[in-house]
Amino acid sequence: DQQVKQNSPSLSVQEGRISILNCDYTNSMFDYFLWYKKYPAEGPTFLISISSIKDKNEDGRFTVFLNKSAKHLSLHIVPSQPGDSAVYFCAADGSGNTGKLIFGQGTTLQVKP
Amino acid sequence: DAGITQSPRYKITETGRQVTLMCHQTWSHSYMFWYRQDLGHGLRLIYYSAAADITDKGEVPDGYVVSRSKTENFPLTLESATRSQTSVYFCASSVGPARYNEQFFGPGTRLTVL
Repeated sequence: DQQVKQNSPSLSVQEGRISILNCDYTNSMFDYFLWYKKYPAEGPTFLISISSIKDKNEDGRFTVFLNKSAKHLSLHIVPSQPGDSAVYFCAADGSGNTGKLIFGQGTTLQVKP
Repeated sequence: DAGITQSPRYKITETGRQVTLMCHQTWSHSYMFWYRQDLGHGLRLIYYSAAADITDKGEVPDGYVVSRSKTENFPLTLESATRSQTSVYFCASSVGPARYNEQFFGPGTRLTVL
């Protein structure tokens, strides 16, 4: 049973436009969420996170929105750049201090020049 | 070299053989993790360790064994490899629990079980 779901396997966006990547979760105990970015042949790297006490967190071109009632989060990238082309994973932590993360399936973003 | 490294980067083995994937980090991070990445499943946690000699199961631990006698090393052993264990394996480390502590990932090991 997938507790964290990224229902769009891929997304294609024009350079300069907004990219919106979506993530849904089922476990209401999850209270901390993260996005990781992965390039081919490399390990994932941390991008941005949000605690459930907030509904928005920004870091430069990247903004994560959290809608707890809908159990939904989204990552906005504005403006999108070709270097943003990668696989994006959302992850959730509802385990307190155990360090366990539950990852979604990933969304492949392609930003076209 | 500083950071987190995995070896080998590529491995082909046969069903039933024992395989050990190595993970080494130079930051003295307390927490270390093993994930596997499969199409349609994303990253799934196999095992993690909060400190030397402390390990615990993740989502998909069956068929895997871990040990952590030294803080910097966290080997993952497939005792009798099966085709379903063909995957890309990532090791990660962090200062503390995932909450508020970034996990740093290694480059991955691509394992094929024939």
